[in-house]
Amino acid sequence: ILNVEQSPQSLHVQEGDSTNFTCSFPSSNIYALHWYRWETAKSPEALFVMTLNGDEKKKGRISATLNTKEGYSYLYIKGSQPEDSATYLCARNTGNQFYFGTGTSLTVIP
Amino acid sequence: NAGVTQTPKFQVLKTGQSMTLQCAQDMNHEYMSWYRQDPGMGLRLIHYSVGAGITDQGEVPNGYNVSRSTTEDFPLRLLSAAPSQTSVYFCASSYQTGATYGYTFGSGTRLTVV
Repeated sequence: ILNVEQSPQSLHVQEGDSTNFTCSFPSSNIYALHWYRWETAKSPEALFVMTLNGDEKKKGRISATLNTKEGYSYLYIKGSQPEDSATYLCARNTGNQFYFGTGTSLTVIP
Repeated sequence: NAGVTQTPKFQVLKTGQSMTLQCAQDMNHEYMSWYRQDPGMGLRLIHYSVGAGITDQGEVPNGYNVSRSTTEDFPLRLLSAAPSQTSVYFCASSYQTGATYGYTFGSGTRLTVV
């Protein structure tokens, strides 16, 4: 994997469903893995920054895990709400440079 | 606290024209960067700066210049605009390099080159 890859590209879920997305990245030379939430017509907002293998972060109904050895991170949303609808970006930081994935677009249907 | 301020929000240029996209932050962040966002491509780093007087190239630097004379400001210059530079441009800053702190993004500049 040369760059950051995210899957799925888009996702539609019913309100109340739980869901998760994947971010895959080269497992070498990673300082940190970031997750951002990007609502339409707004700027990306930082959700989590993880640096260590096995890191887990949580903010309300949203949580994330990091596996640097195998090169992936998962973002989980428990009990999705319409206001969770957004594009979720992950980014690999190698020091002074970030490499962003193309994002997972989540739509939560009321 | 204004965060990261980008101007203008929208701009239309003719091919060959030059212009400067402004970016200012009031959080005393050392690290600032410029990204462009194109459909299906994700955010791609154009240039970045780790402090006043220090800049470096990112993934897609051709056709753009930057300077960092103060901690607060990081303007992006398009030297001779081309249609391929039609994009949405985001400025972002962070407290430290190595960025174990998240980015704060500006609201973006939508540029169209005709």
